[in-house]
Amino acid sequence: ILNVEQSPQSLHVQEGDSTNFTCSFPSSNFYALHWYRWETAKSPEALFVMTLNGDEKKKGRISATLNTKEGYSYLYIKGSQPEDSATYLCAFPHSGGGADGLTFGKGTHLIIQP
Amino acid sequence: DSGVTQTPKHLITATGQRVTLRCSPRSGDLSVYWYQQSLDQGLQFLIQYYNGEERAKGNILERFSAQQFPDLHSELNLSSLELGDSALYFCASSPWGNEKLFFGSGTQLSVL
Repeated sequence: ILNVEQSPQSLHVQEGDSTNFTCSFPSSNFYALHWYRWETAKSPEALFVMTLNGDEKKKGRISATLNTKEGYSYLYIKGSQPEDSATYLCAFPHSGGGADGLTFGKGTHLIIQP
Repeated sequence: DSGVTQTPKHLITATGQRVTLRCSPRSGDLSVYWYQQSLDQGLQFLIQYYNGEERAKGNILERFSAQQFPDLHSELNLSSLELGDSALYFCASSPWGNEKLFFGSGTQLSVL
């Protein structure tokens, strides 16, 4: 059973502040690490798929880093805006082989306060 | 719009009944995944199909079954429904199997 842990469970951030949160995953048999954003009343939407140790990806004010040797990834949001309020999920391939579905963490619920 | 279509959006039924949830993947995607989201639980992987064949199984109950048809749409069948089966069921698709997933809008199932 894969263990994908996310912390913190929830986070309140003032508008304009930067923030980050963590995803921990098994470091053995690494294949890929996914980040998704899930807004209330919508469906999860992919942000990044990361495959290489040391990888850093960026999409606007959101970026992510990956450390496969120690089994963690950080998601950073710079200058938080109210529209960033969402649950951020990370996911790891189910069996480590990459093509067998994803095991999701329970997410970090981010609330941006105006 | 992700391009993944799920029907129906809402379903209300009684315990002991059987329902079928339907999913049409994005055009060209061969892999279809089913996930269950219930209270206090994250997205739980149920099952994956690739080009008509079962590819991987997660925490899917024996009362549940799925299939993927030649036109690549998929159906999730839930039988002998229990109150605890009430959840949001998502379908997702991807081109092959290890790329990012595109999620449908989900089917909210309520078992009364």
